Amino acid sequence: DTGVSQNPRHKITKRGQNVTFRCDPISEHNRLYWYRQTLGQGPEFLTYFQNEAQLEKSRLLSDRFSAERPKGSFSTLEIQRTEQGDSAMYLCASSSRSGSREQYFGPGTRLTVT
Amino acid sequence: AQRVTQPEKLLSVFKGAPVELKCNYSYSGSPELFWYVQYSRQRLQLLLRHISRESIKGFTADLNKGETSFHLKKPFAQEEDSAMYYCALSGSSGYSTLTFGKGTMLLVSP
Repeated sequence: DTGVSQNPRHKITKRGQNVTFRCDPISEHNRLYWYRQTLGQGPEFLTYFQNEAQLEKSRLLSDRFSAERPKGSFSTLEIQRTEQGDSAMYLCASSSRSGSREQYFGPGTRLTVT
Repeated sequence: AQRVTQPEKLLSVFKGAPVELKCNYSYSGSPELFWYVQYSRQRLQLLLRHISRESIKGFTADLNKGETSFHLKKPFAQEEDSAMYYCALSGSSGYSTLTFGKGTMLLVSP
């Protein structure tokens, strides 16, 4: 296990198109987080899963955004009808329910909406 | 609402000089504070957390509840310390979601 992985690493899309990103957490981690990072800003929380349940969503997560974690393993984040303002780095992190609960981050998916 | 403020976008020092990266927070309860670091072309990783009270790579940070601060310090900076540093806060919601500051870029020159 090499840590949290995210695919694709880069995505360029035209405004109005739908995009989907995937996150594979560390295998024994039951907690999964999505964050968004724009230029000059720190990561901003989007949503949180514990196993397959989506327990918290940020106000940043508009109706065009949807996230799933169907079997409590990998997660997908879909953005419908993309807008230029969606251009950002999308980060995924996972953590264990017990122990230090440190969040381990993936490399991110950089989205560019043209 | 919880907020983390890092007042400096860039901190430039010479090798061997002391370093202090400032972090102030606002939160009504008892937060947990962290410092994350991102080296060039690497992913974000945890540097230290206030509850562990340990020193990592020579860095320390003390939580000052009176001043609502969690400044990161190192007595003698090294070139390999050059990176982006983010202060983050986790509230008492139980979900451990993080609120990050905007980050401070530390540049250590030879």
